[in-house]
Amino acid sequence: VEMLDSGGGLVQPGGSLRLSCAASGFTFSSYVMSWVRQAPGKGLEWVSAMSGSGAGTYYYADSVKGRFTISRDNSKSTLFLQMNNLRAEDTAVYYCAKAPALISVANKPFDYWGQGVLVTVAS
Amino acid sequence: QSVLTQPPSVSGAPGQRVTISCTGSTSNIGAGYDVHWYQQFPGTAPKLLIYGNSNRPSGVPDRFSGSKSGTSASLAITGLQAEDEADYYCHSYDSRLSGSVFGGGTKLTVL
Repeated sequence: VEMLDSGGGLVQPGGSLRLSCAASGFTFSSYVMSWVRQAPGKGLEWVSAMSGSGAGTYYYADSVKGRFTISRDNSKSTLFLQMNNLRAEDTAVYYCAKAPALISVANKPFDYWGQGVLVTVAS
Repeated sequence: QSVLTQPPSVSGAPGQRVTISCTGSTSNIGAGYDVHWYQQFPGTAPKLLIYGNSNRPSGVPDRFSGSKSGTSASLAITGLQAEDEADYYCHSYDSRLSGSVFGGGTKLTVL
């Protein structure tokens, strides 16, 4: 299993950024995928999750609801996170993470993680 | 402020046993949701250490163990080694928030 996060960088407050996570080594469409972030020197914060193929269920943390959109392209085994109206407090390393389940992260661990990508929101 | 509460730091000498607590509430751990634990070294992604309260993924030494009771869970590390020095995070699900929640993390120092 391998997951490669990309798309991070420096963006001004109010700006947008799209993160990608290219996965391999497992049947991507069969699993819930999530984004988890970690602000500099801080702990882990779950951001969003999307169910596997066919289920079409989305979950968001209150801190990003209405600003971030999770999506996936199962044909390319890739997870995305579209981040709009970015704020300074969104500055963090963003990790994609896989859960061993099809529909929900409830009761499931994150068994594989990407290497993370840094997003910096500053003027 | 994290939904799950962990001590900021713990320490122990090589060979000793340490425990890290994770306290939640009736909408997460106390509601019966499983607790998972991760180990993270500086500059790297977290690694799953314990899942489903007390299960070890393949390759994790049996020096690491987990337990859960009521609204709390614990990670125990026996036979402490210098290479165990890292940050440890607990993780569960919260029905009120409808999402995953983490503890604030605990830094383990091996003296």
